[in-house]
Amino acid sequence: GAGVSQSPSNKVTEKGKDVELRCDPISGHTALYWYRQSLGQGLEFLIYFQGNSAPDKSGLPSDRFSAERTGGSVSTLTIQRTQQEDSAVYLCASRQGTNTGELFFGEGSRLTVL
Amino acid sequence: AQSVAQPEDQVNVAEGNPLTVKCTYSVSGNPYLFWYVQYPNRGLQFLLKYITGDNLVKGSYGFEAEFNKSQTSFHLKKPSALVSDSALYFCAVRVAYNTDKLIFGTGTRLQVFP
Repeated sequence: GAGVSQSPSNKVTEKGKDVELRCDPISGHTALYWYRQSLGQGLEFLIYFQGNSAPDKSGLPSDRFSAERTGGSVSTLTIQRTQQEDSAVYLCASRQGTNTGELFFGEGSRLTVL
Repeated sequence: AQSVAQPEDQVNVAEGNPLTVKCTYSVSGNPYLFWYVQYPNRGLQFLLKYITGDNLVKGSYGFEAEFNKSQTSFHLKKPSALVSDSALYFCAVRVAYNTDKLIFGTGTRLQVFP
């Protein structure tokens, strides 16, 4: 595809339910990042994947959050037992191999936990 | 600890006047610095970056930024603001030489008045 694709664009769920957010990076991009943007807040780093290396999970806020990247392409961010404070826009970005390159962001998945 | 700070939540400037959006950082090693912009209801877009070389870097839409190592700053500037520059601006930095982890500031909302 032409850009980073995220789905769903909007998700409303009830507290305690699990949610999965999907990211399709730009073809050929080896690096993939997840960030969270809460209302009035900046971008909070969650996790990044680089090729076949072990992901950097240092930003995941709790063990309810996990992410995987299958085949070096599509990534899924899973939030288990959602809480109201998980409500935010979850942004995915991808980058070509070189670490001096810029990130290309998707439009985000807006999660609302009732 | 690695960090990036944008001390102003909002910057107001009249159209035609110069603008500055401030960013300071604290990381180990030589920093890789980036500016991104988020227009209303749109994803983040790359503006410019400093990796090495000239301290003054030029980017999209007439923006430029100056890397100042002694002050650990990377302020975004534009000689003449446009109303269409009104948006949310984020500074980002790679946290260390041996990682591709990028952290973002909390963002600065730029409002350009006609």
